[in-house]
Amino acid sequence: QVQLQESGPGLVKPSETLSLTCAVSGYSISSGYYWGWIRQPPGKGLEWIGSIYHSGSTYYNPSLKSRVTISVDTSKNQFSLKLSSVTAADTAVYYCASLYYYGSGYDYWGQGTLVTVSS
Amino acid sequence: SYVLTQPPSVSVAPGQTARITCGGNNIGSKSVHWYQQKPGQAPVLVVYDDSDRPSGIPERFSGSNSGNTATLTISRVEAGDEADYYCQVWDSSSDHYVFGTGTKVTVL
Repeated sequence: QVQLQESGPGLVKPSETLSLTCAVSGYSISSGYYWGWIRQPPGKGLEWIGSIYHSGSTYYNPSLKSRVTISVDTSKNQFSLKLSSVTAADTAVYYCASLYYYGSGYDYWGQGTLVTVSS
Repeated sequence: SYVLTQPPSVSVAPGQTARITCGGNNIGSKSVHWYQQKPGQAPVLVVYDDSDRPSGIPERFSGSNSGNTATLTISRVEAGDEADYYCQVWDSSSDHYVFGTGTKVTVL
């Protein structure tokens, strides 16, 4: 069974870059699947950030596209999120998740990690 | 961009049926996925591709999709079904995903 675990700083200063990593176990990233990031501001709904295929093809939320980079490291079996020029509005629980194919539902999720943007 | 609208809340008595709607322009032409999220937990996929259930999801959870409305139906509601529910689609015209606004289901 696929397991995902997010890691990264819990506090980021405004205007800096948020960086998170999602370690995948129970499955080799290079075997297929799509990998994605979703976030949830405190007390609010889910927001799709973007997804990546093991080959490196990426898909981003248009509202975040100018600030987001998702990458994959098959040698470490992990994928990463970078969000630049963060503000308080980027404070959220960030989840990593997997997609069996692009267009399907996210079937496996990490537990989520809270990132607070504050000076 | 594509918008999915859900009612903020639905209340249902134990043993009854809860229906959660997800409205979107011609949503019937898209595949809809549904997630259950309990407080402090990650979302769980309960229905995918309109009406299919992942392994381990009770048959009490079912879905339908037609026209401008998709519906998640929870039959014989239990106290453990109390949660937030989100619909989601892949918008092929823009090649990205969209989540609905979310519905809080309260079991009376």
